[in-house]
Amino acid sequence: SQTIHQWPATLVQPVGSPLSLECTVEGTSNPNLYWYRQAAGRGLQLLFYSVGIGQISSEVPQNLSASRPQDRQFILSSKKLLLSDSGFYLCAWSSYGLEAFFGQGTRLTVV
Amino acid sequence: AQSVTQLDSQVPVFEEAPVELRCNYSSSVSVYLFWYVQYPNQGLQLLLKYLSGSTLVESINGFEAEFNKSQTSFHLRKPSVHISDTAEYFCAVRKSNTGNQFYFGTGTSLTVIP
Repeated sequence: SQTIHQWPATLVQPVGSPLSLECTVEGTSNPNLYWYRQAAGRGLQLLFYSVGIGQISSEVPQNLSASRPQDRQFILSSKKLLLSDSGFYLCAWSSYGLEAFFGQGTRLTVV
Repeated sequence: AQSVTQLDSQVPVFEEAPVELRCNYSSSVSVYLFWYVQYPNQGLQLLLKYLSGSTLVESINGFEAEFNKSQTSFHLRKPSVHISDTAEYFCAVRKSNTGNQFYFGTGTSLTVIP
């Protein structure tokens, strides 16, 4: 069966520090991978999605970047965090034509 | 472009009462439709989905949703809610032909009152 792992679960980082959130999927190959951000009281904002290794599409310009160094690994990064980067980050995967499956999320607080 | 509108941000309802959470979408092409549920500090879990076929789809815990193409809606209903149904509910769409992106509504917070 397929599983998705996302870590860390919670993270507190100072403004200006770097960020690296990792997501890995098991039990499937060549999945579509997604990073979403969920701000308090708001819906899910699609940040990045990837259809293959090294292929990253960005939905909105921002202080974040994503990379897919391996087929089932998706990394969300920032060189310098802003206060506005605080939120709940969710990784997800899907295969063509099917639903998305989500990780448990990372609660990021920038202080 | 696709967009998803969830008309109610918060829905309080008494236990054992019926509930309807509304979802409308806009798309120039055929779409797949989904409802997800999110419990506090957790990821999203798929509740039910419409891909094709019967326009009425059901979940294992008593929720159902009906795809209405003419009204571009996919409202979620349950005839009798439980305390455990208290959660955030998200409607989502995905293009059925070449779509890779999922577009989510802003969510509806369902609170079941004892």
